[in-house]
Amino acid sequence: GENVEQHPSTLSVQEGDSAVIKCTYSDSASNYFPWYKQELGKRPQLIIDIRSNVGEKKDQRIAVTLNKTAKHFSLHITETQPEDSAVYFCAVPSGGSYIPTFGRGTSLIVHP
Amino acid sequence: KAGVTQTPRYLIKTRGQQVTLSCSPISGHRSVSWYQQTPGQGLQFLFEYFSETQRNKGNFPGRFSGRQFSNSRSEMNVSTLELGDSALYLCASSMGGETQYFGPGTRLLVL
Repeated sequence: GENVEQHPSTLSVQEGDSAVIKCTYSDSASNYFPWYKQELGKRPQLIIDIRSNVGEKKDQRIAVTLNKTAKHFSLHITETQPEDSAVYFCAVPSGGSYIPTFGRGTSLIVHP
Repeated sequence: KAGVTQTPRYLIKTRGQQVTLSCSPISGHRSVSWYQQTPGQGLQFLFEYFSETQRNKGNFPGRFSGRQFSNSRSEMNVSTLELGDSALYLCASSMGGETQYFGPGTRLLVL
């Protein structure tokens, strides 16, 4: 099956700083890479995704970059705000299906 | 559109009992997937149903089972509960593609 590694497990930043979370995967056939945000006590929600035919996608303060050759993709959050504090999960479809294997999550803490 | 809903939201059971969780997908979504979320193991895939058929299955014992009805609502059943089954159980619906829309989850505590 798909092997997804996510780093770091915890990330603490000051408000206004940038945050970067990286995921590596094993299946070179994977072509869809979403990121989910889960606030404390709430459900995971899709915040951005990228397909393998592009290298970067932006949506306001968040962006995702993809390096298919190296099999890794990253979530970038600029000008972080306290409300960005949450657990972020990457996901990669596995085994030729679209069922995602999730990374272990990154707990992002933004200090005011 | 209304989001994914799950009932009940909280549940306390004792070892050996069984439990049934329910999930109503977003209207028009035919795929429902179930996940177990624990601090130690993260988000783990249980199974996926599409048009009343189990289409994908994760690596969980046979005590975990599910079904889907003709209106796409899905139920998950866990028999002979163990302490280690304590977790947040999330269901997610999709049109049949990759983007998963999650419900609020059912938090199960096994004593």
